[in-house]
Amino acid sequence: AQSVTQLDSQVPVFEEAPVELRCNYSSSVSVYLFWYVQYPNQGLQLLLKYLSGSTLVESINGFEAEFNKSQTSFHLRKPSVHISDTAEYFCAVSSLYGGATNKLIFGTGTLLAVQP
Amino acid sequence: DTGVSQDPRHKITKRGQNVTFRCDPISEHNRLYWYRQTLGQGPEFLTYFQNEAQLEKSRLLSDRFSAERPKGSFSTLEIQRTEQGDSAMYLCASSRDKAYEQYFGPGTRLTVT
Repeated sequence: AQSVTQLDSQVPVFEEAPVELRCNYSSSVSVYLFWYVQYPNQGLQLLLKYLSGSTLVESINGFEAEFNKSQTSFHLRKPSVHISDTAEYFCAVSSLYGGATNKLIFGTGTLLAVQP
Repeated sequence: DTGVSQDPRHKITKRGQNVTFRCDPISEHNRLYWYRQTLGQGPEFLTYFQNEAQLEKSRLLSDRFSAERPKGSFSTLEIQRTEQGDSAMYLCASSRDKAYEQYFGPGTRLTVT
């Protein structure tokens, strides 16, 4: 079974400051890792994913995440945030050996609150 | 891609009533998932379809819940005899076969009064 822990329920940060949103996972098998973003009253949008290859993955809007197998982490970072980045961010895992399902297991989310 | 669509976006119902939600996945995606998200929590898996076959159901899916995907295209999720604890956002997602990333619809927010 897999589980995902997002220790920070809310991260307040000032505009143009750097930010890191933490994600740790637990799994007895190899996993794929994802970050999704959810704006108020909307569904989830895929922000970035790690499936294989380079452990550092980047999104088109300046976010990046690094897969660290030894620490079972997949922290999300951005060097300079904007007001428009204010949203809920969810980390999720999917087992490589999930059989036919490939269902996603989500963390509880981190609210990134960017202040002017 | 036109994206995953869900209908209705909001539903208010009285306890004991039945409700049905619809999900239209991205057209070439043969995998379809339903999740439920309650306030302050991440989405939780409910059920999964590959084409028209329902291949996995979570223990969260009580016998009051039923899902169908009759022709392998759109899907419906029905809740019978709704309870206040059913109040949540119901999310639908789809993906291509052998792809791991899922694309989510805007969700249906259910409020049971």
